[in-house]
Amino acid sequence: DIQMTQSPSSLSASVGDRVTITCRASQGIRDDLGWFQQKPGKAPKRLIYATSTLQSGVPSRFSGSGSGTEFTLTISSLQPEDFATYYCLQYNDYPRTFGQGTKVEIK
Amino acid sequence: EVQLVESGGGLVQSGGSLRLSCAASGFTFSSYWMTWVRQAPGKGLEWVANIKQDGSEKNYEDSVKGRFTISRDNAKNSLYLQMNSLRAEDTAVYHCARTTAGDYWGQGTLVTVSS
Repeated sequence: DIQMTQSPSSLSASVGDRVTITCRASQGIRDDLGWFQQKPGKAPKRLIYATSTLQSGVPSRFSGSGSGTEFTLTISSLQPEDFATYYCLQYNDYPRTFGQGTKVEIK
Repeated sequence: EVQLVESGGGLVQSGGSLRLSCAASGFTFSSYWMTWVRQAPGKGLEWVANIKQDGSEKNYEDSVKGRFTISRDNAKNSLYLQMNSLRAEDTAVYHCARTTAGDYWGQGTLVTVSS
């Protein structure tokens, strides 16, 4: 199975900060990676797919990059509505696997 | 508007069975892979299974192989998850999602397995 190691597990940041979350795959997954945002009690929402393609309707402050085994989600200027938990997902191989999640909290 | 609505969750004893359903609307259901993902209370997301458009290919996470069966009825725009031999560790909110990369998700249905 492909292991997805996501870091950090949590972070505290202020509105306006630049935030970076990383996912590292245990083997190459090409660009078959997505990023999801989840707020308490809500369904996950896809932000990015194919490593760097922004889902329709998602603000441009979210961006994704990487290839092979290392991937990054960046929020260029954190907004109040961005405080949530973020997950990466690899869909290159079975079983699909998620990262452990990163909780973004208000500093 | 894409909508996915899960149902069928509830409280069941260890060793019991449940059948989850996901009603899809707002898109051509028969054109998409569909997926089940679960989330144990206070934990992260875990991929469970997915199924090809015509049902000819199904894939499962190792811990549910042989116990869970994913299926679909394209005439009814519905996705199913038959869960047998349930264990306490299967307790979770179960979400259905469109495509293998989860572009749309339902709100989920809670399954609680009591030991």
